[in-house]
Amino acid sequence: EDQVTQSPEALRLQEGESSSLNCSYTVSGLRGLFWYRQDPGKGPEFLFTLYSAGEEKEKERLKATLTKKESFLHITAPKPEDSATYLCAVQAMIKAAGNKLTFGGGTRVLVKP
Amino acid sequence: DTGVSQDPRHKITKRGQNVTFRCDPISEHNRLYWYRQTLGQGPEFLTYFQNEAQLEKSRLLSDRFSAERPKGSFSTLEIQRTEQGDSAMYLCASRGQGEDEQYFGPGTRLTVT
Repeated sequence: EDQVTQSPEALRLQEGESSSLNCSYTVSGLRGLFWYRQDPGKGPEFLFTLYSAGEEKEKERLKATLTKKESFLHITAPKPEDSATYLCAVQAMIKAAGNKLTFGGGTRVLVKP
Repeated sequence: DTGVSQDPRHKITKRGQNVTFRCDPISEHNRLYWYRQTLGQGPEFLTYFQNEAQLEKSRLLSDRFSAERPKGSFSTLEIQRTEQGDSAMYLCASRGQGEDEQYFGPGTRLTVT
């Protein structure tokens, strides 16, 4: 069964203090790894898709990287508006359930001014 | 706004009552997913439609849950004889043909008292 584990569960940062979030996964053949941002009371907002080890994607202060066993989301010089829960999800190569997503528990990030 | 929409956004019901939620996917997205998210957890897959066909259901989806997608457009998720354990955020997502990313709606927050 596919599994995704995110760490830490929560992260408190000062504005400008860079950090990284970890997503470890086991999947029966990785089709894609996805990062989402979720604000309280809202649905997840798509950020990145990564397909193969060594791939990197960037958007503003966020950079996602992928290895064969884990992915990292690096937040560079965060601002208070980066405060959110960041979710990692995997999609298996096997064509089951329409390529459903299996999510981790998320990392709650709080950036203080 | 051409994103995924869900209705209602919030629903409070008494135990034993039936509830129905609606999801309108991004137009021309033929794949539609329902997920459930409890506080502090990542979303969990419930069911998947390709056009009007329901192709996969999670074992999380008990007999009290039923979903439909008539004409391959909007979808409904009905919960019969609600229980307190059904309290959660119900999320809908859609995906286009040839795409991997799933786009989520704002969710319906269900509270069973």
